[in-house]
Amino acid sequence: AQSVTQLDSQVPVFEEAPVELRCNYSSSVSVYLFWYVQYPNQGLQLLLKYLSGSTLVKGINGFEAEFNKSQTSFHLRKPSVHISDTAEYFCAVSDLAAGAQKLVFGQGTRLTINP
Amino acid sequence: GAGVSQSPRYKVAKRGQDVALRCDPISGHVSLFWYQQALGQGPEFLTYFQNEAQLDKSGLPSDRFFAERPEGSVSTLKIQRTQQEDSAVYLCASSLDRGHQETQYFGPGTRLLVL
Repeated sequence: AQSVTQLDSQVPVFEEAPVELRCNYSSSVSVYLFWYVQYPNQGLQLLLKYLSGSTLVKGINGFEAEFNKSQTSFHLRKPSVHISDTAEYFCAVSDLAAGAQKLVFGQGTRLTINP
Repeated sequence: GAGVSQSPRYKVAKRGQDVALRCDPISGHVSLFWYQQALGQGPEFLTYFQNEAQLDKSGLPSDRFFAERPEGSVSTLKIQRTQQEDSAVYLCASSLDRGHQETQYFGPGTRLLVL
């Protein structure tokens, strides 16, 4: 079964600094990859997804992620963060070999932006 | 347009009580998912509907959990004889069509506390 590992449970950064949130998944077979953001008391919102093609995916709010098949990674990056980026970030994978399009999520990374 | 809505937003139950959690997906969305999110964890898949058909219930933790979507729109997740370990946020998501590439849109969740 698929599993997703987010290597950092918490990441504190200063405002306007760059950030990288790390994500690794368990298998290199065909998968789709997603990053979701969860603001306090809100549902998960899609930031970006990788389906195929270019390994660099651009999403909303200035985020991007790079799919690396050999390292089974899908790290999320932003060159300059804002206070409003404070939230919980979840990496997820959809296994194309599975019957249903269910998502398998990592444990989440809490991003805290300090002024 | 309207997103996924869930009710109630908060539910406190005494151990042994039955609870029912409601999900209103985005109108016209074929696929509907339920996830369970324990404190400090990522969401975990519970069950999946395609229209009114429950195609995957492999994530339901016990036979005390039951979900339905009788008319292919609104869904209800029922938990019988609640236990303390059922305390979690229950998330509902819907997507326009079947297919692993489809974006899942999440509701705000129902936070269940079992005393």
